[in-house]
Amino acid sequence: QKEVEQNSGPLSVPEGAIASLNCTYSDRGSQSFFWYRQYSGKSPELIMFIYSNGDKEDGRFTAQLNKASQYVSLLIRDSQPSDSATYLCAVNTSGSRLTFGEGTQLTVNP
Amino acid sequence: GAVVSQHPSWVICKSGTSVKIECRSLDFQATTMFWYRQFPKQSLMLMATSNEGSKATYEQGVEKDKFLINHASLTLSTLTVTSAHPEDSSFYICSARGGGFNEQFFGPGTRLTVL
Repeated sequence: QKEVEQNSGPLSVPEGAIASLNCTYSDRGSQSFFWYRQYSGKSPELIMFIYSNGDKEDGRFTAQLNKASQYVSLLIRDSQPSDSATYLCAVNTSGSRLTFGEGTQLTVNP
Repeated sequence: GAVVSQHPSWVICKSGTSVKIECRSLDFQATTMFWYRQFPKQSLMLMATSNEGSKATYEQGVEKDKFLINHASLTLSTLTVTSAHPEDSSFYICSARGGGFNEQFFGPGTRLTVL
């Protein structure tokens, strides 16, 4: 079992819709969870982090964490074509080290 | 957010030569820096973790004699790819953590092509 798993996609949504990205992790001791966005040919950019169970909202982005189910998700409301990218889920598994999922490729169609 | 720079942004070299990549935290002191490698259409692979003033911790399967990492100051880490070969061609990305931030901030990456 991979430490961090994401649906590889591709996920395609129409402009204005809600995009839902999911991630599960195997280490129950994980404490910190991050979502990064990576455009093709570029390095990852931090979008959100979440430490506590529940929802955390920042603009059009909402991260949701359920530690009991070992599940973290990212919702993007009012999706825009500029949101088209690969979204990486990362989990802090030990010390300061992050383990990344393989990413979900999102395409927002105009 | 914090800013991390990398230099060079791309490099082409001949097989057998060594290449040095610099990673700098511009507006915070990075107590820990990380080096990743990413092949096309694959996720990030952590190569090593370095703390300022101490030896880097390499991930399993990463040759420490081939990928030399130095973290001499709180704002600078370097990765040297020694005796590079075509299979070392990849996108190398550093990240930094520190200055009160729990998150890792990524540099823009260095694209290495070994001919």
